Amino acid sequence: NAGVTQTPKFQVLKTGQSMTLQCAQDMNHNSMYWYRQDPGMGLRLIYYSASEGTTDKGEVPNGYNVSRLNKREFSLRLESAAPSQTSVYFCAVGFPGPGDTEAFFGQGTRLTVV
Amino acid sequence: LAKTTQPISMDSYEGQEVNITCSHNNIATNDYITWYQQFPSQGPRFIIQGYKTKVTNEVASLFIPADRKSSTLSLPRVSLSDTAVYYCLVASNYQLIWGAGTKLIIKP
Repeated sequence: NAGVTQTPKFQVLKTGQSMTLQCAQDMNHNSMYWYRQDPGMGLRLIYYSASEGTTDKGEVPNGYNVSRLNKREFSLRLESAAPSQTSVYFCAVGFPGPGDTEAFFGQGTRLTVV
Repeated sequence: LAKTTQPISMDSYEGQEVNITCSHNNIATNDYITWYQQFPSQGPRFIIQGYKTKVTNEVASLFIPADRKSSTLSLPRVSLSDTAVYYCLVASNYQLIWGAGTKLIIKP
C-alpha cells in the first residue's frame, strides 16, 4: 500500500505558467484535502473534497482550482502561477472527515515560482 | 473556528518527560483536539486525539481538563528522534486550524 502519493515532488515554474499537482490514495477515504505550508508556518487549507464529485473552498482558495474525478484522485491546479504561491503543498486524506480519526499526508510537493 | 496557542519552542533532554500545553479558548462543543508531529521535509503525522479527560496510546498521553479550553500533550522518555515540530489542532466541520506549532529540540 502506497498510502497517499503526490506528484511531482519538486517543481519550478515561471510566473504565469500553469501546472497540476496530482494526489492519489489507496486508503479508501472519502475526504481529501489540499494544504499549503509556507516556511516556519502551519498548514493552511486550500480546498477539500468531502466525497467523490464534491469540492469546497478552504482558508486560501484564491489562485487555485481542484478536481475530484473519482474516489482515489484529487488534483490541484494553478492556472497562472505567482511567486506568492511558492510553498510546499500537501495532500491529505481522512480526518476531519466524518468517521475518521486521523489524517494521512503525502510527502509533499515543493513548488517554486520565479 | 477555534484557534490554538502553543509555545513556539521547547528544549529537553533524552529520557525526560516532555509536556506541551496548548490553549484553545474558543473550542466548540463538537470539536476534537488532535496533535500531529512533523519532521523537516515530511508531511505531518498523527500522534493522538481526544475529546475530554485523558487519552493514552503507545507514544503519548493527552490531558484535557473539564472546561476543554486547554490540553497537554505528554511525551514520556523522549529521545533524539523526537526532535520535531508538534501541532495542536482543533477540528470541526472538515477544517483543521493549524498554528505555527511548537519546535521541540531534544538534547543528548
